[in-house]
Parts: sequence; C-alpha cells; structure tokens
Amino acid sequence: QVQLQESGPGLVKPSQTLSLTCTVSGGSISSGSYYWSWIRQPAGKGLEWIGRIYTSGSTDYNPSLKSRVTISVDTSKNQFSLKLSSVTAADTAVYYCARDQVHCSSTTCKNWFDPWGQGTLVTVSS
Amino acid sequence: DIQMTQSPSSLSASVGDRVTITCRASQSISSYLNWYQQKPGKAPKLLIYAASSLQSGVPSRFSGSGSGTNFTLAISSLQPEDFATYYCQQSYSTPYSFGQGTKLEIK
Repeated sequence: QVQLQESGPGLVKPSQTLSLTCTVSGGSISSGSYYWSWIRQPAGKGLEWIGRIYTSGSTDYNPSLKSRVTISVDTSKNQFSLKLSSVTAADTAVYYCARDQVHCSSTTCKNWFDPWGQGTLVTVSS
Repeated sequence: DIQMTQSPSSLSASVGDRVTITCRASQSISSYLNWYQQKPGKAPKLLIYAASSLQSGVPSRFSGSGSGTNFTLAISSLQPEDFATYYCQQSYSTPYSFGQGTKLEIK
C-alpha cells in the first residue's frame, strides 16, 4: 500500500524559498500511470492545486503560482519535491503531496488524487 | 480556468438522515469529477471518482451522480463518522480546481 510523507521546514521567512519533499513508500514512484501532485490548504480554507510532475520530468503548474513554483522528482530516492520562491504570508498553509492516479478506458483517461500525505504546516513569518 | 461551486456551504443533519451535496462546474466537464471527505486535522480522502465510481473501501451509503456541469454526492443514511467537510474536484483540465467545501454538521 503506497504511502506518502511530506517533510521540510515548518517556518520560512518572507521573500525566501519554501522547500518540501514528499517521500513515497510501499511502491516505486516510477511504476504505473501516475503523476505526483502538490496541493495546499490555508487554515480554515479550501484546497488549491499547485502542480504535478510525471516521472519523466514533465510538469504542469497552476498559472496562479507558475512563476514561483518548481516541482522536481528524484526516482533514485523515491521522492518528489516542491520549491516555492518569494513567499509571503499568503503562502502560509498546510501543504499536501498526493498521487495523481490516471485510469484510461478505451476512449478516455480520468484521474484523481489518492492517496494523500498527512500534510505539513508551513508558516511564513519573520 | 474551471470554477467549481458547491452548495450548500454548510449543512446540519441527524444520524440516519439522507443528505445531498451539489457541485456545479463553470463549464462542461463530462464526468471528470471527484469527491473527497476531510476530517479536522486530516488529509482529504477520496470517496468517489469519475463522478459515480465508489472508491474501494468506501461504504456503499455514499454515491455520486451527474455529468456535464451538475453533480451530486449523496449519503443515504448518515453515520456519526460522516460528519466532515466534503469537496468536489474537477480533473477535466489543469489547473485542477476544488469546490469551496461543504461542512456537514450534527444537528
């Protein structure tokens, strides 16, 4: 059973870069038809998709964050990572990593997030 | 970008009630719609994928329906563990987007 675990600093200063890593256990990050996504949730608010990566290295980012986001993958460590630059207090949130599972029938491909990591709170403050 | 709107934003119900939550997309998304349950301090959990397919291990009292722009999550007989916040999410196109959530509370 695949499990995901986020790790990284819980406190980042304004204007600096937020860096998080998601470690995948119970399966290879390279196997199957999966993307790997980052999603965040400010306290008491809804969910925002940040972006995703395929194990080939191809990425998709939310345009609202694209200029500041980099997602990378390290298949040798079974990890993928998030970097968010020039952070402000508005970037304070719980950050989740999730497997973006793709399932294709004869005509269409659909995808969904499962499983998720437990989430890690990142606070932006001086 | 596709906007997802859920209604109601909050809902009070009793154990044993049947409840429905609605999700509307700003454009047609076929059946590219997923539902998640989130409890306080926990990560979201997948309930329904592709609008109507029940995720393995999820109780059969949960069901999803709809296509195009209008979708519904139904819980046939509320159990104490079902009181949580529910989110819909479109996977039709990136950037993926979620509804604002529906908080289901005990009456």
